[in-house]
Parts: sequence; structure tokens; C-alpha cells
Amino acid sequence: DTAVSQTPKYLVTQMGNDKSIKCEQNLGHDTMYWYKQDSKKFLKIMFSYNNKELIINETVPNRFSPKSPDKAHLNLHINSLELGDSAVYFCASSQHMAAFSYEQYFGPGTRLTVT
Amino acid sequence: RKEVEQDPGPFNVPEGATVAFNCTYSNSASQSFFWYRQDCRKEPKLLMSVYSSGNEDGRFTAQLNRASQYISLLIRDSKLSDSATYLCVVDHGSSNTGKLIFGQGTTLQVKP
Repeated sequence: DTAVSQTPKYLVTQMGNDKSIKCEQNLGHDTMYWYKQDSKKFLKIMFSYNNKELIINETVPNRFSPKSPDKAHLNLHINSLELGDSAVYFCASSQHMAAFSYEQYFGPGTRLTVT
Repeated sequence: RKEVEQDPGPFNVPEGATVAFNCTYSNSASQSFFWYRQDCRKEPKLLMSVYSSGNEDGRFTAQLNRASQYISLLIRDSKLSDSATYLCVVDHGSSNTGKLIFGQGTTLQVKP
């Protein structure tokens, strides 16, 4: 019944490693997003995809690469992890990409700790 | 200046109190406005959209003042379960990309 799911929920890793976070939505939505919430609780958009097409690509280091194999999945791969990457990463989806019409549904978050 | 500014609080109020949160936004081209609620260590969830004429949902009332670029949320008869962080959210104002700008959030603690 989970609408937007993410795995893993917790990720602890060392600097320099490469890791992936997976996201799936079963709502039939067209648009998916990745957000980062830092220690000060600011939630910032990183990427969005609409029907597998990249729409939003914020100023995010190239070490972050999203991949959308189909419109129900949006994965995030991070290379060469740094201490500053420690945060909670939220996946979200919305029916369409027009902000004015559609609620965004968030996954439970992945708490990434880089040591 | 931050794109969306909120007083982070915390606001500590007794049960039954009325509490109001304010938010200002910087982009006059923004068209869509929302309040999201985030419980501790959980994901944000939509509380309500904010319409130009103001709108109410039970104990919650949202107001928008476009001229002052100001949004408010009023909670009447506070319940313990209202304790959470309330995020003011505004669209980026660009073409329809779904890009939302989140404020830092205002933390509410309702005490018995």
C-alpha cells in the first residue's frame, strides 16, 4: 500500500564510497523528484523527472546522478561521497509537473551518514 | 534574502490555544502556495493549499497577501497531535516545472 517507497532507510558509509538510493511510486504519477534536507532542515530540490525525462537539475555536484528507468522509478547514485553529503534524501512524486495543481507525495526518506 | 522565510520557533502553546505562523516569499511571480506538515523524522505531507481568497479546513485557516508577499496559517483549538514542523512552500514562479521552494519550517509544540 506504500505510495512512495525508498530504500535503504538508513545508509552509513565512508568518504569516497559510491552508493545508490532507490525510489518507487505506485501512484501512477508522471513526475518524480529528489530532495535533500540538511541538518538545518532546509528541504531543497535536486532533480525532477517527468515521464523519464530530466526536467529540473539544480546546482548539484556531478557526483550525483539520477536515473529513471521508467516513470515509476527514480534512483539516485552518488559517487565519491563526502562528509557534506550527510543529510536526509527524500524522493517525491506528483501527478503532473505543474506545481500549481498537484500535491507532491514524499517517501519516508533515506538518512545518509558519511563518516 | 531567502526565497521563503519563516520564524523557526519553537512555538510552545497550551492545548486549546490559537496560534498563527507567518511566512514571506521573495518571488512575486510565484503562483502556488502551500502549507506542508513534517513530523519529527518523517516525510513532509501536504496540510493545505493556500488560495488567494483565503481558505479554511477545519481548525486550520490559511491566508495569502500577494501585495505583501505574505502567507499565514492559523490553528485554532490546538491539539497535542498538532505538534510538528509547519513548512511554508511556494512555487518557483518559472514555467510549469513543479519546482517548489520550501521554508525552513516553524516548529510547534502543544503542551497539555
